[in-house]
Amino acid sequence: NAGVMQNPRHLVRRRGQEARLRCSPMKGHSHVYWYRQLPEEGLKFMVYLQKENIIDESGMPKERFSAEFPKEGPSILRIQQVVRGDSAAYFCASSPPGLRNTGELFFGEGSRLTVL
Amino acid sequence: GEGVGLHLPTLSVQEGDNSIINCAYSNSASDYFIWYKQESGKGPQFIIDIRSNMDKRQGQRVTVLLNKTVKHLSLQIAATQPGDSAVYFCAESQGGSEKLVFGKGTKLTVNP
Repeated sequence: NAGVMQNPRHLVRRRGQEARLRCSPMKGHSHVYWYRQLPEEGLKFMVYLQKENIIDESGMPKERFSAEFPKEGPSILRIQQVVRGDSAAYFCASSPPGLRNTGELFFGEGSRLTVL
Repeated sequence: GEGVGLHLPTLSVQEGDNSIINCAYSNSASDYFIWYKQESGKGPQFIIDIRSNMDKRQGQRVTVLLNKTVKHLSLQIAATQPGDSAVYFCAESQGGSEKLVFGKGTKLTVNP
C-alpha cells in the first residue's frame, strides 16, 4: 500500500448507472494492473496497462468494462450500465519495469463498489 | 479449481506459536509465486516471493517453501503475533505472463 492512490474508496450506484474508478500509481511506476475481489474470494486479474497501452485484458468482461491509462493522469476503470453482480472491491496495483523484474506489486486500498 | 487453491480456509493459533499456511497450485508452467497479506478493508501487502528455481526463501520471521514435485507452496510465520492476523493469499504467475492468479485465501487468527 506504498503510495498507490485509488478513489473513490466507496462508490454506490444504481443499476444502469456508470461507475468510474481511478488509480494513480506510485511515483515512477508506469505499469498498472486492475484486480477485482468478491467477498470472501481471492483477487481476479482484469487488465494490465502501460502508459497509453493495454497489454493484457484477458480478465476483462467482454461488455460494459473498459480501462485506460493515459499519458497524463490516473488510470481509469469504467463500468457502464452496472448490475448488482458488479458489486465488489476493485484493486489497482502498480510496478516499475514489470512484475517479473521487481518481484512485487504495490496495491492500493481498493475501491468498493456497491450496486443497488 | 482455477490455478491456485488453499487447503484450509481458516487457521487459529496462539500468540508466539509458529503458523504454517498451505497452498496448492495446478499449473506446472507456473514459475513465480508470491504470498500476500490482506488486512480487513485494505489492499494486499507483499510478504515474500519465490521463483521455481528455488525450494526455500527466508525473510524476516517468514519462510516460503516450494515443492514443485507435488505443486505445493507454504508460508511459515515464526513467533506469530496478533498483528499477523489477516487473510493470506498465495498467487502464481504462469510462464511469462504479467498477471497473477490468486487463491481464495486463508484467514489467520492469532489468539493472545
